[in-house]
Amino acid sequence: GAVVSQHPSWVICKSGTSVKIECRSLDFQATTMFWYRQFPKQSLMLMATSNEGSKATYEQGVEKDKFLINHASLTLSTLTVTSAHPEDSSFYICRTTYEDESAGNTEAFFGQGTRLTVV
Amino acid sequence: EDQVTQSPEALRLQEGESSSLNCSYTVSGLRGLFWYRQDPGKGPEFLFTLYSAGEEKEKERLKATLTKKESFLHITAPKPEDSATYLCAVQANSGYALNFGKGTSLLVTP
Repeated sequence: GAVVSQHPSWVICKSGTSVKIECRSLDFQATTMFWYRQFPKQSLMLMATSNEGSKATYEQGVEKDKFLINHASLTLSTLTVTSAHPEDSSFYICRTTYEDESAGNTEAFFGQGTRLTVV
Repeated sequence: EDQVTQSPEALRLQEGESSSLNCSYTVSGLRGLFWYRQDPGKGPEFLFTLYSAGEEKEKERLKATLTKKESFLHITAPKPEDSATYLCAVQANSGYALNFGKGTSLLVTP
């Protein structure tokens, strides 16, 4: 089945530095990638939607200058947390949608997630 | 506004004790309802997609059903390895974004 590979799985960085998170679709072309963050015992909150070759669409309240999203190819999308602060510590997850036309199904696959800790 | 409410928030079962998780939703035109399993520190793992009322899908000890207002995830004779958080999400006809519930944390004890 379709697989989305996300890395790193965890990262610790110093306050003020930037961190890049990558999501790759391994065996299909991901036209659209969704980026979520999840706080402990909370649901996934959509941050932004990126489409290959165009600017990302950010949800209300998400700073686009802080969370830079690049979707330069159909197999790679990146989220860069710039000038990270402790309050940015969270679990970040990417997701894409896979249309299985032969089965008439729509499936959504997530990356493994990245645990970011800013100290 | 699309809303997804999952209940209970947490559920503790003994091994072999069957039960159901509920996902109530409101959406302007349902494209699909998704069930995921999430283990601590990991991304959600896809379980099922349901598209229309009356539809049912099964996978091992899990069975998902759908009505116009809610979905149930039935767990038959659960095992400790079924312990996880189960997430429900709806997708509207207007796009591919998923609106998630807060999840049900399931603990199955031996």
